[in-house]
Amino acid sequence: AQSVAQPEDQVNVAEGNPLTVKCTYSVSGNPYLFWYVQYPNRGLQFLLKYITGDNLVKGSYGFEAEFNKSQTSFHLKKPSALVSDSALYFCAVRETGGSYIPTFGRGTSLIVHP
Amino acid sequence: DTGVSQDPRHKITKRGQNVTFRCDPISEHNRLYWYRQTLGQGPEFLTYFQNEAQLEKSRLLSDRFSAERPKGSFSTLEIQRTEQGDSAMYLCASSSQGRNQPQHFGDGTRLSIL
Repeated sequence: AQSVAQPEDQVNVAEGNPLTVKCTYSVSGNPYLFWYVQYPNRGLQFLLKYITGDNLVKGSYGFEAEFNKSQTSFHLKKPSALVSDSALYFCAVRETGGSYIPTFGRGTSLIVHP
Repeated sequence: DTGVSQDPRHKITKRGQNVTFRCDPISEHNRLYWYRQTLGQGPEFLTYFQNEAQLEKSRLLSDRFSAERPKGSFSTLEIQRTEQGDSAMYLCASSSQGRNQPQHFGDGTRLSIL
């Protein structure tokens, strides 16, 4: 079975400061991990994914994520937050040999204050 | 790549009526997914197609829900005898072959039951 946890319902950060949105996962084997962003009344947009290899993954809009196998985490980061980054962020996991259906976290609301 | 499109964007109906939603995936994608999303939650899996074959359905999916993808291109999701609890955002996503491929989401159909 696969599962994802996003421990924070909301993250607040000042514009220009670094941001981190946390995600931990559980799978029986190896994971494929994804981050998506959702703006109000819109669908989810793909930001980045981890498949294998380099633990630091770079994605769209200056976002990156660090895969940590020992801590089973895949935290989303950005060095300098923008007000326009304010949105809902979802982490998702698929097991490499498992179902085609990913499991999504409950989401974290990121609020960037000017 | 014209993206995933969903129609209608909003649907308001009375309890007990039937509703049908349409999804047009990215043309090269052979996999199509339907999700339901309620406020404060991540996408909840409903059903999944590979080409025209419906390969998985959520155990939570009531028999009032049915989905088709007759020619392996567009898909429809029908809800019969709608109930108040069916009010939600219904999201469609598509992806290409491979478990490491991200999903591309439409902007959803928001269903409101009066």
